[in-house]
This record gives sequence, C-alpha cells and structure tokens, in this order.
Amino acid sequence: DAGVTQSPTHLIKTRGQHVTLRCSPISGHKSVSWYQQVLGQGPQFIFQYYEKEERGRGNFPDRFSARQFPNYSSELNVNALLLGDSALYLCASTTGGDVYSNQPQHFGDGTRLSIL
Amino acid sequence: SQKIEQNSEALNIQEGKTATLTCNYTNYSPAYLQWYRQDPGRGPVFLLLIRENEKEKRKERLKVTFDTTLKQSLFHITASQPADSATYLCALDASGTYKYIFGTGTRLKVLA
Repeated sequence: DAGVTQSPTHLIKTRGQHVTLRCSPISGHKSVSWYQQVLGQGPQFIFQYYEKEERGRGNFPDRFSARQFPNYSSELNVNALLLGDSALYLCASTTGGDVYSNQPQHFGDGTRLSIL
Repeated sequence: SQKIEQNSEALNIQEGKTATLTCNYTNYSPAYLQWYRQDPGRGPVFLLLIRENEKEKRKERLKVTFDTTLKQSLFHITASQPADSATYLCALDASGTYKYIFGTGTRLKVLA
C-alpha cells in the first residue's frame, strides 16, 4: 500500500513569491495535518483538516493557508515568502475522527523548501 | 508557558547497552503521548503510543513509560544496535484541540 506522498520533494523560491505544496494521504485516511520542521527542531503544527474542514490551526501567520479536497488530498499554500519560511514541510495522515486523537500519524518524507 | 523538552544534546551509547531518552512537559495535560523515529531527510515514523492511564508500554526492544505526576515520559531501547541511530521525537496531544505538539528530538548514536 502506498504511504503518504508529498510533492514536490524539493523547491527553491525567492522572497515574496508564493508556493503550493501537495499531499496525498494513505488510502482510507480522512485527516491530514501539516507541519513545518526547521533544521534541528521538531515538527511544528500548522493545520489539521478532516472531511475538508479545518479542525486546528497552529501559531502561523495568515500567509499560510490550506485546503482539503473531496478525495482527502490537501494543499498547503504560503504567500509572500520570507527567508524564515525555509524548512521541511511535512504532511501526516490519520483515519481521523475522535477529538482526542489516539491514532498514530503517518508522515510523508516532506517537501524541502528553500527561500533565496 | 507550554513546553516540551527532550535531551538537546546527542546521546552516544555502546552497542548492546540500553538507551534511555527523556521527554518532559509543562502546562499540558495530554491524554496520549507518542514516540517517533526520524532519519535524516525522512519524515518521522511512528513507534509507540501510551495513554495517560497506562504506566508502561512495550514493543519488542522498545519500552515507554508515562508519569503524569512528574510530567515525564521515558523511552528505552534495549540491546541497542547501530541501526537504532536516529533522532527520536516525543509528541503529545494538546488536550481539547486537534494539535499534536512535538519535542525538539534527541539524536541517538549507537557505536559499534
């Protein structure tokens, strides 16, 4: 079975540009979460989506937005890119449901975003 | 403020020994705590989950403890092998939300 897939794997942008990152969850998984991981740090929560609705949002500016499609895939959009947005962006999927999630998160290998 | 702390420095141990990694948290009341392994350039891989009412959980050479009084989880790898070398992350659910909060991770190196 295919795991969580993310595209592209690497991306180079310049300041002020915008970027769209894509994620396909494991088949049957209805929840997708997005994380930002800066080198040497743990993943930081950005968004969680379940059944196309945003269920949670981390402490990120409005330049960050996301959406989930009827097939449960998801996009993360970042506008007006800053140097500090350079990071590994991870997507994780779970079957979803319970508010107190006891489900393991299945991560993709991320998109490495570099801002010049 | 809310915080999750893991050993910030790398942990080097000899092959065959038990590695013990620590995860301490403040100002959270998690219902669940998870441990993940992350290799360079890869996404985290789930290892174990422990519930607040469980004291200990085991899976093969891995053992996790969860002390909600001390606000601490310990992660043990027994009979460690060089292939266990990786960064290990703890994560807990921010109760009442859909967020999972990760620690900074501890880099483990098992020396042959």
